[in-house]
Amino acid sequence: GAVVSQHPSWVICKSGTSVKIECRSLDFQATTMFWYRQFPKQSLMLMATSNEGSKATYEQGVEKDKFLINHASLTLSTLTVTSAHPEDSSFYICSARATGNNSPLHFGNGTRLTVT
Amino acid sequence: LAKTTQPISMDSYEGQEVNITCSHNNIATNDYITWYQQFPSQGPRFIIQGYKTKVTNEVASLFIPADRKSSTLSLPRVSLSDTAVYYCLVGDMGGSQGNLIFGKGTKLSVKP
Repeated sequence: GAVVSQHPSWVICKSGTSVKIECRSLDFQATTMFWYRQFPKQSLMLMATSNEGSKATYEQGVEKDKFLINHASLTLSTLTVTSAHPEDSSFYICSARATGNNSPLHFGNGTRLTVT
Repeated sequence: LAKTTQPISMDSYEGQEVNITCSHNNIATNDYITWYQQFPSQGPRFIIQGYKTKVTNEVASLFIPADRKSSTLSLPRVSLSDTAVYYCLVGDMGGSQGNLIFGKGTKLSVKP
């Protein structure tokens, strides 16, 4: 089945620094990828839609200048958390849909970000 | 996008069949119903997807009535390892559309 790989699986950074998270579709091409954030004991919240070769679409309330998304190829999307603060500590999950009608989303294993 | 409603939690015992129902009263004609399983600190894992009637795979069955306003995920003979959060999602699957919005999910606890 379709596999989505996310890296790193966890990262600790200091306040004010930036962190980049990679999301790769390993065995399929994805023109669209999705980034989610999940706080403890809560559901996944869609942050943005990453579009290959064009600008990402952000959900209401998500700062595009803080969460930079780049989708430079059909198999790679990156999320950069800029000037991270402790409140950005969360579980970030990416997903992608294989081409073809009715394909479900496939998710990476998530990245645990801790900002100290 | 159709809003979904699920029970917050369910308890079961090993070996029992578990049925989790999801309500989606405003489902659209093009929407599919997809169920995911999530363990702590992991990404959601696809379980099953359907449009109408019944779908079965090696891990679960999905029952969808004719009006499609609800669906039921059926897990046969659950084990302790089935303890997880289960999400029902409804959305348009065509092309690059269909951003699927997660509801609160159902936390299933399987006891020995």
